[in-house]
Amino acid sequence: AQSVTQLDSQVPVFEEAPVELRCNYSSSVSVYLFWYVQYPNQGLQLLLKYLSGSTLVESINGFEAEFNKSQTSFHLRKPSVHISDTAEYFCAVSESVSGAAGNKLTFGGGTRVLVKP
Amino acid sequence: KAGVTQTPRYLIKTRGQQVTLSCSPISGHRSVSWYQQTPGQGLQFLFEYFSETQRNKGNFPGRFSGRQFSNSRSEMNVSTLELGDSALYLCASSLSGGGYTFGSGTRLTVV
Repeated sequence: AQSVTQLDSQVPVFEEAPVELRCNYSSSVSVYLFWYVQYPNQGLQLLLKYLSGSTLVESINGFEAEFNKSQTSFHLRKPSVHISDTAEYFCAVSESVSGAAGNKLTFGGGTRVLVKP
Repeated sequence: KAGVTQTPRYLIKTRGQQVTLSCSPISGHRSVSWYQQTPGQGLQFLFEYFSETQRNKGNFPGRFSGRQFSNSRSEMNVSTLELGDSALYLCASSLSGGGYTFGSGTRLTVV
């Protein structure tokens, strides 16, 4: 079984300041890792994902996350946030090998980011 | 290309009724999975379908069921609705396990 822990339920941050959202996971098998963002009354939008290769992954809007296998972490960072980054962020994992058992995402509890002017 | 389409966006039902939600995946995606999102329990996996077969099921009672059609469109049904079934129901489609695209969800309110 897999589990995901997002260590901070809320993160207030001032505009143009950096932010880090922490995510730790537990799994007995190799995993894929994802960060999703959810704006009010909307679905989930994929921010970035780690499937294989370079452990540092970046999104087009300035977010980056680093896969640390030894610490089983996938923390999300942005060096300078904007008001528009106010949203809820979810870390998720899935098994990297599917098959008859299919695929599913296991989510963390989410981190609400509130960017203040 | 078109994204994942969920209909309807909003629903209000009475306790004891049943409801059917629909999801049209991205063209070419054969895997469709469903998630329930509530303030108390967060995002929980309901089930996943691939080529009309349920491959995986979460820990929900039998009142929650689903199916997938030959064109990959999927429906989920909840019978004998309870107040606790009020939630945002999200559908995701996937080409492979490396990426999931979500729809905007159906907001179900049970009164």
